Amino acid sequence: TQLLEQSPQFLSIQEGENLTVYCNSSSVFSSLQWYRQEPGEGPVLLVTVVTGGEVKKLKRLTFQFGDARKDSSLHITAAQPGDTGLYLCAGAGSNYKLTFGKGTLLTVNP
Amino acid sequence: DSGVTQTPKHLITATGQRVTLRCSPRSGDLSVYWYQQSLDQGLQFLIQYYNGEERAKGNILERFSAQQFPDLHSELNLSSLELGDSALYFCASSKIPQGAAGELFFGEGSRLTVL
Repeated sequence: TQLLEQSPQFLSIQEGENLTVYCNSSSVFSSLQWYRQEPGEGPVLLVTVVTGGEVKKLKRLTFQFGDARKDSSLHITAAQPGDTGLYLCAGAGSNYKLTFGKGTLLTVNP
Repeated sequence: DSGVTQTPKHLITATGQRVTLRCSPRSGDLSVYWYQQSLDQGLQFLIQYYNGEERAKGNILERFSAQQFPDLHSELNLSSLELGDSALYFCASSKIPQGAAGELFFGEGSRLTVL
């Protein structure tokens, strides 16, 4: 079973601060996805990274896939209250089945 | 709006009962996935169907079953319910049969409370 560990589990910051959340595994993934889930909603895909070392930017969000394709990070610059939500990473193994981490619950206070 | 429709949104029932959760995938998506989300376990994959056939099985209990119908909608049946089955149940759909680098589109979930 491929496990994804996300850290921190909870994060509460003030508007304007920067933050980084992590997604780690001992397994290699063919690709890794990041989703954001808001209360009362289902997860929504933010990005997919495929190549080891890949960096993708989505406005104030920067996603990085580790060189060995075992870990990933999400960095948010100048966080806003609208960034509040549960951030989930999901890795696709050799059989392409997605395994989700338990998520990081981010709260950005005004 | 993801285009994935789940009903009911909320369901309260008693232990030992049976419930059916329904999912209509996005138009054109042949794959349907069911996930269970709880605070302690996170998002757990239950089962996947592709064009009416079971494609992959995850941590699905024997008391649970699912199927995908010819019109591609899917149902998840939960029987002999226990308190621990209380959770959010999500349906997701995608165009391709396996996850790969493809995107999953999630519905808004069905919140099941077993009393």
